[in-house]
Amino acid sequence: GENVEQHPSTLSVQEGDSAVIKCTYSDSASNYFPWYKQELGKGPQLIIDIRSNVGEKKDQRIAVTLNKTAKHFSLHITETQPEDSAVYFCAASKTGGFKTIFGAGTRLFVKA
Amino acid sequence: DTGVSQDPRHKITKRGQNVTFRCDPISEHNRLYWYRQTLGQGPEFLTYFQNEAQLEKSRLLSDRFSAERPKGSFSTLEIQRTEQGDSAMYLCASSLAGGVGSYEQYFGPGTRLTVT
Repeated sequence: GENVEQHPSTLSVQEGDSAVIKCTYSDSASNYFPWYKQELGKGPQLIIDIRSNVGEKKDQRIAVTLNKTAKHFSLHITETQPEDSAVYFCAASKTGGFKTIFGAGTRLFVKA
Repeated sequence: DTGVSQDPRHKITKRGQNVTFRCDPISEHNRLYWYRQTLGQGPEFLTYFQNEAQLEKSRLLSDRFSAERPKGSFSTLEIQRTEQGDSAMYLCASSLAGGVGSYEQYFGPGTRLTVT
């Protein structure tokens, strides 16, 4: 069935370093890949997304890359700050945007 | 406040009781989704509405669960005869249907259910 795998489950970096989170998906028909940040006690917040017609997208310190052939996509956070500490989820869905399949999450710790 | 809101934020109930949660989506969004999230996991899709029509249900949504969106605005999720395994965070999200931004789902803060 549809599945999204996410690695690593925990990531600890020093403030100012980069962080990379990787995901793979199983359904080759998936064409929309959002990333969410979830802080304690809050719902997931959309931080960046990418559609299958592009290979890379950047928004300030955050970038996402997509390799449709290999069915994997990655989140890159540069110049990490303590406020980046949270759980990050990747997800995949097909045209229409419903029934989004989420990865299990990566807990990012940014040490000051 | 123009975000997705959910009520209550926390609910503690005894096994066997019925509970109902409410979600108010972003006002111009005609799609509404319910997800369940257990500790250490990502959200799992439960069901989705376009306007008042419930268009898809996950097999996770047993017959004890029912969701409605009677006027295409707010939605309710009811769980009958709650079980301890129902303890989770129930998340609601909304999005537009069609056009720019139609894929983007915006989540509410969730309702945390504890069944004792």
